[in-house]
Amino acid sequence: GAGVSQSPSNKVTEKGKDVELRCDPISGHTALYWYRQSLGQGLEFLIYFQGNSAPDKSGLPSDRFSAERTGGSVSTLTIQRTQQEDSAVYLCASSVTVTTDTQYFGPGTRLTVL
Amino acid sequence: KQEVTQIPAALSVPEGENLVLNCSFTDSAIYNLQWFRQDPGKGLTSLLLIQSSQREQTSGRLNASLDKSSGRSTLYIAASQPGDSATYLCAVNPPSGYALNFGKGTSLLVTP
Repeated sequence: GAGVSQSPSNKVTEKGKDVELRCDPISGHTALYWYRQSLGQGLEFLIYFQGNSAPDKSGLPSDRFSAERTGGSVSTLTIQRTQQEDSAVYLCASSVTVTTDTQYFGPGTRLTVL
Repeated sequence: KQEVTQIPAALSVPEGENLVLNCSFTDSAIYNLQWFRQDPGKGLTSLLLIQSSQREQTSGRLNASLDKSSGRSTLYIAASQPGDSATYLCAVNPPSGYALNFGKGTSLLVTP
């Protein structure tokens, strides 16, 4: 079946602009996660959703970052007033439920802030 | 805070060799541990998931072990092939069960 998809695959933006990154999880997966992979920093957790609710937003690096999920499906990660340090690959994952299940990752969105 | 370390950072082996990748973590209170593979410019592919109550998992030429008390996991790859070349990531799932803590990976190159 279809895996996790993300769009766009690449995004180049100017410093100060807002960007929206989209994630389509695997159908039927109730849990959705956002991670960021920066050069030399490894993968860091940003936020997760159980259904449309985000119980833990503590991983978001600043208040310029926000995320929402609608209909228990598609999620959007929004970065306002982008900075150069926001440049990274943003990865989305989904799982059947939170806790014991394998997380399946999408191909990521590579964000470059000039 | 959970720290996950992977050794070695890079590894180059000739085709056909058996090899072991190491992962260590500082807090033994984990829910499960996952091994992933990442090809250049691509997302992560899940290889194996070991629940905290399990000692090992096997899939084809891959075998992952978990020693929770000592904070260690190993990924054993048998009869390596050039197609195994990729970065291998270890990730620990804390008791909360959702925010994976990743190591920085081992970059593997298998030469023909």
